[in-house]
Amino acid sequence: KAGVTQTPRYLIKTRGQQVTLSCSPISGHRSVSWYQQTPGQGLQFLFEYFSETQRNKGNFPGRFSGRQFSNSRSEMNVSTLELGDSALYLCASSLEQGARTNEQFFGPGTRLTVL
Amino acid sequence: AQKVTQAQTEISVVEKEDVTLDCVYETRDTTYYLFWYKQPPSGELVFLIRRNSFDEQNEISGRYSWNFQKSTSSFNFTITASQVVDSAVYFCALSDSDYKLSFGAGTTVTVRA
Repeated sequence: KAGVTQTPRYLIKTRGQQVTLSCSPISGHRSVSWYQQTPGQGLQFLFEYFSETQRNKGNFPGRFSGRQFSNSRSEMNVSTLELGDSALYLCASSLEQGARTNEQFFGPGTRLTVL
Repeated sequence: AQKVTQAQTEISVVEKEDVTLDCVYETRDTTYYLFWYKQPPSGELVFLIRRNSFDEQNEISGRYSWNFQKSTSSFNFTITASQVVDSAVYFCALSDSDYKLSFGAGTTVTVRA
């Protein structure tokens, strides 16, 4: 069974631009969660999508958004990029909604650098 | 609010030594879940264990063991007879009534041959 895949793996953008990251969950998994990892703030929850609906959201500004498609694939978008958005963005999939009772399988991440 | 504290930033040991990673958590909920994840240099988080708040039994899986103590709000992780392949960043995480995973800052473990 293929694992969680994220594309692209590396991305370089400049301030003010926008970016879209993609995540394909494990086949059969219906929940996708996104996390941001930075040296300063550590691992922080962004949002979770289940059945094409955002079910949970972390404390991030509205510049961070996402969506989930009918095949469970998910995209996250960051608009008006800031230097502080440079991070490793991790996607995790699970069978059902909710991190606490469903084991989350993580992808390799997308390394975003904002210049 | 929830909070996970991993006081040890880095631990360096020689192969075959035991290493214990501390994790202290805060939550007002009576039902919550605790996790440990491993992040090797490749960057992918690997799930190690999930434990709910009603199960205080310690668990052993090969060279890994976990000690959950509600009285001290701790969920410590021990690697016995460490190996070079254990070198990674280890994260403790908590999920309670808001269903989110809150991670600790992580502990970098370096096992030297």
